[in-house]
Amino acid sequence: NAGVTQTPKFRILKIGQSMTLQCTQDMNHNYMYWYRQDPGMGLKLIYYSVGAGITDKGEVPNGYNVSRSTTEDFPLRLELAAPSQTSVYFCASTLQGGDQPQHFGDGTRLSIL
Amino acid sequence: QKEVEQNSGPLSVPEGAIASLNCTYSDRGSQSFFWYRQYSGKSPELIMFIYSNGDKEDGRFTAQLNKASQYVSLLIRDSQPSDSATYLCAVRAGSSASKIIFGSGTRLSIRP
Repeated sequence: NAGVTQTPKFRILKIGQSMTLQCTQDMNHNYMYWYRQDPGMGLKLIYYSVGAGITDKGEVPNGYNVSRSTTEDFPLRLELAAPSQTSVYFCASTLQGGDQPQHFGDGTRLSIL
Repeated sequence: QKEVEQNSGPLSVPEGAIASLNCTYSDRGSQSFFWYRQYSGKSPELIMFIYSNGDKEDGRFTAQLNKASQYVSLLIRDSQPSDSATYLCAVRAGSSASKIIFGSGTRLSIRP
């Protein structure tokens, strides 16, 4: 059981470049999330999705886009990368339900130079 | 006002003592509360969740929830060096039960 898989694990981008961070889960979870974590800080919610075709903004959505065409996949798109987007990005998923915990991927460490 | 607030620490506790971590939240309609542990360079891992007022115990860990005062705490008894990590409080927001917001985390250091 793979759980939540994120790719790539590391990436260096130049300012202005674009890229997509991939996230896939094999637990048939309907809720999926993207967070960013800056050094020494907590997790900030970027976007989340409650099911295929449904997405919503979190705390820090500017500069990012998401899509949810399938239950399994929830890619995060960075357009026109900026140094402020240097961070560790975590994808998480959970079953619907108030007491259901999130399952996290291993993270993508992204540097914008 | 931040939605979920934690003291960033670091909190230094001697081995064998009780570590007490606190978290406050702003959304009075929040439903579920989670404590995650995160080691440096790793992803968060769930320690406990609680959704009813009172205490919930699991081994050396006790979560305490007081909805009237809007705070949730985590007690770690018989602290071990392996407990040294950052502890993240997470809240499932009441206005949107699907949104989960994290605090900034508290760094805990257990000194031998």
